[in-house]
Amino acid sequence: QTVVTQEPSFSVSPGGTVTLTCGLSSGSVSTSYYPSWYQQTPGQAPRTLIYSTNTRSSGVPDRFSGSILGNKAALTITGAQADDESDYYCVLYMGSGMVFGGGTKLTVL
Amino acid sequence: QVQLQESGPGLVKPSQTLSLTCTVSGGSISSGDYYWSWIRQPPGKGLEWIGYIYYSGSTYYNPSLKSRVTISVDTSKNQFSLKLSSVTAADTAVYYCARDQTANYFDYWGQGTLVTVSS
Repeated sequence: QTVVTQEPSFSVSPGGTVTLTCGLSSGSVSTSYYPSWYQQTPGQAPRTLIYSTNTRSSGVPDRFSGSILGNKAALTITGAQADDESDYYCVLYMGSGMVFGGGTKLTVL
Repeated sequence: QVQLQESGPGLVKPSQTLSLTCTVSGGSISSGDYYWSWIRQPPGKGLEWIGYIYYSGSTYYNPSLKSRVTISVDTSKNQFSLKLSSVTAADTAVYYCARDQTANYFDYWGQGTLVTVSS
């Protein structure tokens, strides 16, 4: 089965910019995989941030953006804030189902 | 505003069948635009897609769970359900239901329900 890869952890300074990536164990991520991104804080259900590569979900601040960078999907947070400290998951559409990445734990310090 | 709410036993014995129901409010489960998903998260671990169902009854399952999973829909009650058979401690997780927009992203989530597998 295809594995969706994410950095296990990342750190960013307040006000800084960070790019999290979402790749495949074999092959390249393209818009055809409709990459989506979710933010989850402890004890809460995930919150949808980005879908279809780069479309922000309703109410999501524009400091969150999605793209394809090289052979991976990417989530960029510009001007990181303390409450951006969360787990971030990408999801890829595989044609007959969905696969989650392992998640990235983002620390803001 | 669409809302989803999971319900079912919080404790299941090993080898038995886990059964959960997701009740949808604020929208019709029969809308042709959506699929309806189950997702789980073991304590301290990441999210795992279990499968989804279309209102017509068409289903798609995670290959790693396919032999044990059944997802069904009851359009008259605006509900869909999950059954996972032959459970072990590894199936202990928070189970979420979610609406799947055109089968390629999740736009609404339930709050999640913890199911513990233990004797």
